[in-house]
Amino acid sequence: DADVTQTPRNRITKTGKRIMLECSQTKGHDRMYWYRQDPGLGLRLIYYSFDVKDINKGEISDGYSVSRQAQAKFSLSLESAIPNQTALYFCATSVSGNTEAFFGQGTRLTVV
Amino acid sequence: GQSLEQPSEVTAVEGAIVQINCTYQTSGFYGLSWYQQHDGGAPTFLSYNALDGLEETGRFSSFLSRSDSYGYLLLQELQMKDSASYFCAVRSSGNTPLVFGKGTRLSVIA
Repeated sequence: DADVTQTPRNRITKTGKRIMLECSQTKGHDRMYWYRQDPGLGLRLIYYSFDVKDINKGEISDGYSVSRQAQAKFSLSLESAIPNQTALYFCATSVSGNTEAFFGQGTRLTVV
Repeated sequence: GQSLEQPSEVTAVEGAIVQINCTYQTSGFYGLSWYQQHDGGAPTFLSYNALDGLEETGRFSSFLSRSDSYGYLLLQELQMKDSASYFCAVRSSGNTPLVFGKGTRLSVIA
């Protein structure tokens, strides 16, 4: 079955370290997203990309950067991790003209 | 900008009906979606309303009133497995991403 795969699934890192979260998809979707989930705050958009050459900031992009290496790959980087970036991170995909988004299984990141 | 309001928690009895409301404010409107998320899982798509009225999919229905900027998700014949968080989400146009509400945690009790 086509999939949205996030790696790693869990990660503990130290304050100040650079970390990359990766997302790959086999759905052939053109649009990809990174969301952050914190208890009681829902899903907040970090960055999104509607094709390989398109990168857009979301609601909470400060402290994060992204790279769309190919249509199927969208990576999220924390250049210098801080404890309040501890959260559950989700990658999602969709296809233009369709409203449904498909989510990966999430990456639980802990910054100590 | 966009904002969505939904109750933070709802508790209902197995076999009953529950309604989860969502009100939204958005500069444009391209439809209201609902997602379900079980603990430890990923959000999954439930329904989408672009036009006023009720959309039914099995035990779940979703309603939209664009004039009131309001929608709801109706779950019938509640089962224990329906215990989850439910998120409403909107897009302001076809070229903008989904913006989610903070979610409603539904607890189904025996």
